Amino acid sequence: GENVEQHPSTLSVQEGDSAVIKCTYSDSASNYFPWYKQELGKGPQLIIDIRSNVGEKKDQRIAVTLNKTAKHFSLHITETQPEDSAVYFCAASVPGGSYIPTFGRGTSLIVHP
Amino acid sequence: NAGVTQTPKFQVLKTGQSMTLQCAQDMNHEYMSWYRQDPGMGLRLIHYSVGAGITDQGEVPNGYNVSRSTTEDFPLRLLSAAPSQTSVYFCASSPPAGYEQYFGPGTRLTVT
Repeated sequence: GENVEQHPSTLSVQEGDSAVIKCTYSDSASNYFPWYKQELGKGPQLIIDIRSNVGEKKDQRIAVTLNKTAKHFSLHITETQPEDSAVYFCAASVPGGSYIPTFGRGTSLIVHP
Repeated sequence: NAGVTQTPKFQVLKTGQSMTLQCAQDMNHEYMSWYRQDPGMGLRLIHYSVGAGITDQGEVPNGYNVSRSTTEDFPLRLLSAAPSQTSVYFCASSPPAGYEQYFGPGTRLTVT
């Protein structure tokens, strides 16, 4: 089955800096790559996603890039703010069957004011 | 829409007790799934369903049962609770095939 590796497990930045979280996946058939943000005490919530026919996608201060050849994708957050502090999960879905995504282990992002 | 709701929010069980975690969604989503979240382990899939009457096992199904009699509800049953089942449990739903998953607020379960 699919295996998703996520790094780093913890990321500490100053407000205004950029943050990058990287993920690799094992199954070259995966074609859907969502990113979820989990605030303390809440369930994860989708913040951005990308499909395999797209190399990059942006939404205001967040962007995701995908390199299908290398089987890795990254989340970029620019001009970080304290409210960006949360746990972020990447995931990958293989088409066919359930499409249930496989999640990475998460990155705890801490933005210091 | 309430989205995905889970009850209870917190639960303490003794080893060997049984209980059911409730999950309901009002978005008419076909797909529903249960995850457990443990520190440093991310979200691990327990069971999932692609429609009423259809369920399948995920990565960590042992000790848990599910059924899906309606589109809206997907309860998770712990038959004989063990301390290893202490975790935070999330239910999620999604429209078919590779779309956004909507998570509930979670149930924090402690087994002593």
